[in-house]
Amino acid sequence: QQQVKQSPQSLIVQKGGISIINCAYENTAFDYFPWYQQFPGKGPALLIAIRPDVSEKKEGRFTISFNKSAKQFSLHIMDSQPGDSATYFCAARKTSYGKLTFGQGTILTVHP
Amino acid sequence: GAGVSQSPSNKVTEKGKDVELRCDPISGHTALYWYRQSLGQGLEFLIYFQGNSAPDKSGLPSDRFSAERTGESVSTLTIQRTQQEDSAVYLCASSLKDNQPQHFGDGTRLSIL
Repeated sequence: QQQVKQSPQSLIVQKGGISIINCAYENTAFDYFPWYQQFPGKGPALLIAIRPDVSEKKEGRFTISFNKSAKQFSLHIMDSQPGDSATYFCAARKTSYGKLTFGQGTILTVHP
Repeated sequence: GAGVSQSPSNKVTEKGKDVELRCDPISGHTALYWYRQSLGQGLEFLIYFQGNSAPDKSGLPSDRFSAERTGESVSTLTIQRTQQEDSAVYLCASSLKDNQPQHFGDGTRLSIL
């Protein structure tokens, strides 16, 4: 059972544009939602994370929007840069238990 | 370095052979996780160690897969009688405690011929 669904599978954006990646979850026990960035040949690196007590969290050019009633959350990358080209994964877990459930990933390409 | 270290970085082996993958977590991290990433797929949970508690093995795909951890240090993932469908990148992560962010190694790319 896929508990976290991510879309789109791939995304092409022009430099300076906004990249938006969406995720939906099923398990209402999840209460921690991180986003990971992965470059080819490297392990995923934590980018930003949110808990459901807030609807939005911003760190630099990266913003997570969270809709608890819809069980959806999204990553917005403002002023996208070619260096942002990577695969992005959303994930979810219960705070009290470490195991992460990942989305399928989105390959982001930012054209100069 | 101070990050999670995995070895080998690449492993090519013949179908039917056993393989052992190693993970050195960040010093002091009590929780350790193994995930598998198949081509074009997300990360699939395999097993989770937290301190002295019994490991959560619920993600292991078959009894050919096993893992051990020595105290709060090194972990090894063993795959017996490898099959072609075992080809994937095996990623290890560690966290200070189970409710803290997970830090990933760069993985072992396993290819079964």
